[in-house]
Amino acid sequence: DQQVKQNSPSLSVQEGRISILNCDYTNSMFDYFLWYKKYPAEGPTFLISISSIKDKNEDGRFTVFLNKSAKHLSLHIVPSQPGDSAVYFCAARGSNTNAGKSTFGDGTTLTVKP
Amino acid sequence: DVKVTQSSRYLVKRTGEKVFLECVQDMDHENMFWYRQDPGLGLRLIYFSYDVKMKEKGDIPEGYSVSREKKERFSLILESASTNQTSMYLCASTSGGSGNTIYFGEGSWLTVV
Repeated sequence: DQQVKQNSPSLSVQEGRISILNCDYTNSMFDYFLWYKKYPAEGPTFLISISSIKDKNEDGRFTVFLNKSAKHLSLHIVPSQPGDSAVYFCAARGSNTNAGKSTFGDGTTLTVKP
Repeated sequence: DVKVTQSSRYLVKRTGEKVFLECVQDMDHENMFWYRQDPGLGLRLIYFSYDVKMKEKGDIPEGYSVSREKKERFSLILESASTNQTSMYLCASTSGGSGNTIYFGEGSWLTVV
């Protein structure tokens, strides 16, 4: 049973528009959520995170929203840029769980068209 | 900056060969991990280690073993490579405790023919 799901394998948006990447989770013990970005032939890099005590966290063009009741989080990128084209992984864990044991989604490939 | 280095980026091995994937981190992290990434399956944890000479199975340990003789080095071993082990392998490290992020290596692409 997949505990973290990214239901959209791919997303294509125009440069300058908003990109919205979604992630759903089933384990109610998860209370810390992260997004990682991965370019081809490179390892994932940390992008942004949110704790369950918040419902929004913002870092420049990137904002993560958390809806605990729906067990849903989303990553908003505004405005989208061609350099944002990458695979985005959602990850979740419990507060006492080491980061390396996070549960990852399958990833969403974002393509931003010039 | 934390650096996690995977020595082999691209490997082609034959079925039945023994394969070593090496990983070194330079930030004195206690914890090290090996994952594989496959299309549509995300990142799956193979093995991890909380300390030297300590190892624990992750979600998909079958067909793999690991070695951690020094704090900075964590090796993934395929005793007898099979075609279904063709994948991208990612090494990562974290500092102790929770509330931290993962630092990944650049990945090793393994093809078993």
